[in-house]
Formats: sequence, structure tokens, C-alpha cells
Amino acid sequence: AQTVTQSQPEMSVQEAETVTLSCTYDTSESDYYLFWYKQPPSRQMILVIRQEAYKQQNATENRFSVNFQKAAKSFSLKISDSQLGDAAMYFCAYRATQGGSEKLVFGKGTKLTVNP
Amino acid sequence: DSGVTQTPKHLITATGQRVTLRCSPRSGDLSVYWYQQSLDQGLQFLIQYYNGEERAKGNILERFSAQQFPDLHSELNLSSLELGDSALYFCASSPLLSYNSPLHFGNGTRLTVT
Repeated sequence: AQTVTQSQPEMSVQEAETVTLSCTYDTSESDYYLFWYKQPPSRQMILVIRQEAYKQQNATENRFSVNFQKAAKSFSLKISDSQLGDAAMYFCAYRATQGGSEKLVFGKGTKLTVNP
Repeated sequence: DSGVTQTPKHLITATGQRVTLRCSPRSGDLSVYWYQQSLDQGLQFLIQYYNGEERAKGNILERFSAQQFPDLHSELNLSSLELGDSALYFCASSPLLSYNSPLHFGNGTRLTVT
């Protein structure tokens, strides 16, 4: 079974600085998708960024970018120019492309605090 | 606004009781997923429906059941409730069976069992 590990339960960053959140996953598949979701105090789950495993180029969405290392099964999220509104729980998620389900498998999350 | 509607937002009930959580997916989305988020935990996959049929089952207890109706809304039924069932229950939807399309989540139902 696929598993997703987020080794940092909590992280903090100063406003305007850069922070990197770590994520590793375990899979025997070669084709899959990876996602980062943000959960602010409002509890809403918001998609931040996604990466297809077959693409070598790292995904980027404005201030958010990923470092995808397929061989190492690593998928870290970098937040540049951190803003107070970035404070939230961040969840890394894996989606297989086989097995008869399109479900996401989530890590346990990293709580990000942004200090003014 | 994700377009996924969950009701109620909050639910407080006693042990041994039964509750029903409701989810309306985004317009046009055929696939519905249910997740449970306990305190300090990630989201645990419970069950997936596609166009009215069960497609995948995760760590769903036998006391829990779900269904998707012809109008595509879904209900999650939780019975013989225990204190440990207190959690945030999310519904998510996606169009068709596309691996590339993200899941769009509702705002969740906070269940408290006393």
C-alpha cells in the first residue's frame, strides 16, 4: 500500500522569507500524481499545487513550487515570500493511477506558522 | 467556494446514536469521496462512489455505510456511535475518473460524540 510521510509536524517562517516543507512517499508504481493541499483554520481543503510523476519539470504556482525527486520518492513544497495568509496545515497527497480508485492518500500534515 | 456542499456543519450527538451526513458534489462531478480527519491526523479515506456505484473502499468501519443517489448527492451513515468517531468528515468530488483532476473538498462536517 502506498504511504505518505511528512516528517515535520510543525514549521515556522518569518514573513517574506522562504520555507520548505518535506514529503516522502512509498510506491512501486512508475506513474502517479502528487498534490499539496492547504488547510487554513477555516478547515477548508485548498489545492496548492500538483505534479505528474512522468514530468521531470517541477511544478510552479506563483510563490509555490515543488522539488520532485522521483528516484528518492521525495516531493517537497517551497513557499517563497511567505505571507501571513500562508499559515495553515499543509498536506502532501499521492494518487495512484492503477488499482481501481482515484483516491488520494494523505500524509499527516505539517502545521506552518508565519511570524510577522 | 469549491462547489461541494456538506450539511450539517456541526453535529453533536451521544454514544450509541446514528447520524447521517450529506454531501452535494460540484455540478457535473460524478465521483464522490468520503474522508475522516481525526484530531492531529491526516485525512483517512473511507469510501468512493462513482455515478451511483461503490468504486473503492478504504478504512471504513462496518458501523458506517454510504450511498450515492441518482441525483449524485451522497450520504454517509454512522451508527452505534462511539467517542472515537468524533472527527471532521469531508466529502470531495471530481469529474469522471480522471487521475489528473484534483479532488474538490467541501467544508466538512464536525461530528462530536459525547
